[in-house]
Amino acid sequence: QVQLVQSGAEVMKPGSSVKVSCKASGGTFSSYTINWVRQAPGQGLEWMGRVIPMFGIANYAQKFQDRVTITADKSTSTAYMELSSLRSEDTAVYYCARAQYSSDSYYTFDYWGQGTLVTVSS
Amino acid sequence: DIVMTQSPDSLAVSLGERATINCKSSQSVLYSSNNKSYLAWYQQKPGQPPTLLIYWASTRESGVPDRFSGSGSGTDFTLTISSLQAEDVAVYYCQQYFSTPLTFGGGTKVEIK
Repeated sequence: QVQLVQSGAEVMKPGSSVKVSCKASGGTFSSYTINWVRQAPGQGLEWMGRVIPMFGIANYAQKFQDRVTITADKSTSTAYMELSSLRSEDTAVYYCARAQYSSDSYYTFDYWGQGTLVTVSS
Repeated sequence: DIVMTQSPDSLAVSLGERATINCKSSQSVLYSSNNKSYLAWYQQKPGQPPTLLIYWASTRESGVPDRFSGSGSGTDFTLTISSLQAEDVAVYYCQQYFSTPLTFGGGTKVEIK
């Protein structure tokens, strides 16, 4: 059975960086993409980007292009999302979510991690 | 970016009654070569991650009760819960996966009247 297990909650200072991990089990890691979606308190869902572990290629939403780095380690079936220059507005729950990979299409998120709360506060 | 607009923001429905949620995309998410609309619906209960209910606008994910159904094509979509159960209290989101950035609607909160 597929599971995505994320690292624990973080409290960060403004201007710092945070790195959240997402370890996959129960599936073929390289056959999928790992996406990162965040949800500010009481707000909706926002896609940040994704990584294609098979190729080590990442795509980012333009909003986060300058501050986010998404990577994957096939040897440990783990994906990472690093967000830099943190500000209070980045306080949110960050989710990883799996989607099928295709070179010419996007797919839905069929499995999600449990979420990681990142709090940015001085 | 494709903007997804959901309505209403919230609704209260009696147990056993029908709940209907609408979602409109700012441009078509229908891919003409396969005639599929790249539209999904997710359910999110408090303190939990979202779960996939519907994809390709109308295909129910495995294990999802058949009281959930999706319809629509192009730019206008609907999620229907035919007979609301207590466990359906949640926020529902539509999402387009036609093009990046992948975008979600603002969510619709469903409560029991």
